[in-house]
Amino acid sequence: AQKVTQAQTEISVVEKEDVTLDCVYETRDTTYYLFWYKQPPSGELVFLIRRNSFDEQNEISGRYSWNFQKSTSSFNFTITASQVVDSAVYFCARPMNRDDKIIFGKGTRLHILP
Amino acid sequence: NAGVTQTPKFRILKIGQSMTLQCTQDMNHNYMYWYRQDPGMGLKLIYYSVGAGITDKGEVPNGYNVSRSTTEDFPLRLELAAPSQTSVYFCASSYGPGKVDGYTFGSGTRLTVV
Repeated sequence: AQKVTQAQTEISVVEKEDVTLDCVYETRDTTYYLFWYKQPPSGELVFLIRRNSFDEQNEISGRYSWNFQKSTSSFNFTITASQVVDSAVYFCARPMNRDDKIIFGKGTRLHILP
Repeated sequence: NAGVTQTPKFRILKIGQSMTLQCTQDMNHNYMYWYRQDPGMGLKLIYYSVGAGITDKGEVPNGYNVSRSTTEDFPLRLELAAPSQTSVYFCASSYGPGKVDGYTFGSGTRLTVV
């Protein structure tokens, strides 16, 4: 089965703590992109990052960082010094095999407590 | 730039009624998609289109129809609404294949069938 597994259904942390959201994917493609999206309480889906499978360097954008490890098929997302505004559902996504579309994990609901 | 625009934002339908969810994008994107989001279930693909005049089924097409007469518009038609179609519907688009470009999402339509 084509899968994107986000094993953490729900996480709660206190503001200013660091938190890592896990994503494990399966793909038969040799080259591919991976994605993270954010869905805040307002409901829209916001693109966060696209990552090429050729590039295994960690990526950092402000308080956000992503750790891509091809050997373990993982693409984890870390928020440093979390803030209440980071509270949202976060989705990891990968391409469908032999197809143009992407498929999404079930999401991790993140609660940042003040 | 408006991006992807969905209307209406909310709708309540009675069982057996029909309606059309509108989706328009002004980014000259070739690919367009309809997803539904059920609580805790991530996003499931209903229909997609790779260009004007071309549509194809996704994972959960039953009970829905689409058309793509122009590049900009990709309406989703619900015939004979059923309670199982209560969901949040997202339209998305991408210039190239979503597996490469990722998606731009609309703000969603929350549909309740009673």
